[in-house]
Amino acid sequence: GENVEQHPSTLSVQEGDSAVIKCTYSDSASNYFPWYKQELGKGPQLIIDIRSNVGEKKDQRIAVTLNKTAKHFSLHITETQPEDSAVYFCAALMFSGGYNKLIFGAGTRLAVHP
Amino acid sequence: DSGVTQTPKHLITATGQRVTLRCSPRSGDLSVYWYQQSLDQGLQFLIQYYNGEERAKGNILERFSAQQFPDLHSELNLSSLELGDSALYFCASSETPGLAGTGELFFGEGSRLTVL
Repeated sequence: GENVEQHPSTLSVQEGDSAVIKCTYSDSASNYFPWYKQELGKGPQLIIDIRSNVGEKKDQRIAVTLNKTAKHFSLHITETQPEDSAVYFCAALMFSGGYNKLIFGAGTRLAVHP
Repeated sequence: DSGVTQTPKHLITATGQRVTLRCSPRSGDLSVYWYQQSLDQGLQFLIQYYNGEERAKGNILERFSAQQFPDLHSELNLSSLELGDSALYFCASSETPGLAGTGELFFGEGSRLTVL
């Protein structure tokens, strides 16, 4: 079935520490994995994405890794700052019922404490 | 600002009632998606439209329906409302119908529905 599992559901770190969020997906044919950040009172916003033809992608303090064999991918945030506090969603593009659908994980609430 | 506009931002209604949520996509985007976010839950995909036609369906209840108009705005209709329908409803838009391009969805700020 269409499923993306995300862990942990909450994560609390000290400013400057690293944060890692992990996701697994069910459809081995999935080839696109974005990460969205949702700040309080806002809609989710894309922060980074990765396609199945690469294993890792980095953009300043954030990076995403993908292990297609194990069907899991992770978000890494280094040198966390208070403004990184938000809910982060992973997602996987799945083909189902004749169409592509973006299926989201349940989200991780990240709190970065000064 | 994502460029996606949703109205109303907040809506309080009673069980059994019907409401309509409206979404205007980013200029030029032909695809519109609706997602439901319940308390402490992820984003549940409801339905997608592309240039006026239904393109994909997710976990959308039969009491819910949607459409996309010629000017590309979309409406999500929720009827016979139940307490459990209380949630944040997001609209998103993208350039491509099947997320075959960049895949980026641009989300509005959501419509918070409270059913009493």
